[in-house]
Amino acid sequence: QVQLVQSGAEVKKPGASVKVSCKASGYTFTSYDINWVRQATGQGLEWMGWMNPNSGNTGYAQKFQGRVTMTRNTSISTAYMELSSLRSEDTAVYYCAKGVTLRGVDWFDPWGQGTLVTVSS
Amino acid sequence: DIQMTQSPSSLSASVGDRVTITCRASQSISSYLNWYQQKPGKAPKLLIYAASSLQSGVPSRFSGSGSGTDFTLTISSLQPEDFATYYCQQSYSTRTTFGQGTKLEIK
Repeated sequence: QVQLVQSGAEVKKPGASVKVSCKASGYTFTSYDINWVRQATGQGLEWMGWMNPNSGNTGYAQKFQGRVTMTRNTSISTAYMELSSLRSEDTAVYYCAKGVTLRGVDWFDPWGQGTLVTVSS
Repeated sequence: DIQMTQSPSSLSASVGDRVTITCRASQSISSYLNWYQQKPGKAPKLLIYAASSLQSGVPSRFSGSGSGTDFTLTISSLQPEDFATYYCQQSYSTRTTFGQGTKLEIK
């Protein structure tokens, strides 16, 4: 079955960087975009950006431009999201999600299980 | 960015009730609207895509409708496993955005 499995929880100090991985299985990794969405505790969903695993092309939400980098390793079907200059407001669960497109409409399915990133001094 | 506004923000209902959640876009998004269900501590799960298409494996008591700026998610007869938070998402813009969520609680 199609599955995205993310790396484990991280604790980082303010100013540091974090790199979260998302390993895909059950489908051709290079055929579908990977999106990243985060969710602070008790809050809603915030889209961060997308990456095309085939080309490596990316698109980031303006809020994260300059601080986020999305990459991939196609040999192991894994996507990565690195967020730098961390601050306490970045404490959240980070999700990867497979982007599906049909007749011009896009949606996310499935999602990874989430990775909790805690930023604390 | 396109703003998505859900109403209500929270809702109390009983098993067997018919429930409707509304999502309004700040501009027309045609039918580029998806619905997700999220249970505590879990990742969101796709329910409806393209405003009204039911994702495979999702019970038929879930349905979606609307186009343009106004959309609804309806659960025809609430089951115990349906108590969760629901989010709408627009994919009209390449910069996708989500509604703030509607928390469905047991009355």
